[in-house]
Amino acid sequence: QKEVEQDPGPLSVPEGAIVSLNCTYSNSAFQYFMWYRQYSRKGPELLMYTYSSGNKEDGRFTAQVDKSSKYISLFIRDSQPSDSATYLCAMAAITGGGNKLTFGTGTQLKVEL
Amino acid sequence: KAGVTQTPRYLIKTRGQQVTLSCSPISGHRSVSWYQQTPGQGLQFLFEYFSETQRNKGNFPGRFSGRQFSNSRSEMNVSTLELGDSALYLCASSPIGTGNLNGYTFGSGTRLTVV
Repeated sequence: QKEVEQDPGPLSVPEGAIVSLNCTYSNSAFQYFMWYRQYSRKGPELLMYTYSSGNKEDGRFTAQVDKSSKYISLFIRDSQPSDSATYLCAMAAITGGGNKLTFGTGTQLKVEL
Repeated sequence: KAGVTQTPRYLIKTRGQQVTLSCSPISGHRSVSWYQQTPGQGLQFLFEYFSETQRNKGNFPGRFSGRQFSNSRSEMNVSTLELGDSALYLCASSPIGTGNLNGYTFGSGTRLTVV
């Protein structure tokens, strides 16, 4: 079983829709939670970063973390064609031994006009 | 502010050869990490270097190695290439210290194809 599970999609939604992306994890040591967006032929770009349970909002994006259920979500409001990309959840357990991110396999999103 | 720079962007190698990839981190970042990205496995952690020392290593065979120079630039090497090593290799840099993941920034990657 993988430490981080993510629905691979692909997910296709109409412009303006609310998108919900989810990941579950099994490692209780994970303390930091991130969402990255990756366009084709590009490296991942950090969208959201949080280290506590609850919600964090940034513009059209809301990240939600539920540590008790080991579940994180990313919501995109008023989705745009430019949001079409692969979304990766990532997690880290910082133990003093450096930084190491564990990623989900990514969800491919397409927002259609 | 310049981002993370990886060279070359694309590379084609023959099975059995070796390859060296380069990564220049964001100015001031001292930690450099490497990841392999494939369609089947996603992004997998290779190793991390900080102040020229490897401080974290993923589950990859010894054919994968790396190093970091005093200016924080890093290289990774893959020896005796196999077809399965075809992947996008990503480098990420982060600010000094552990846990500064808000500044964890990726480069655009090197696309390696082994034929």
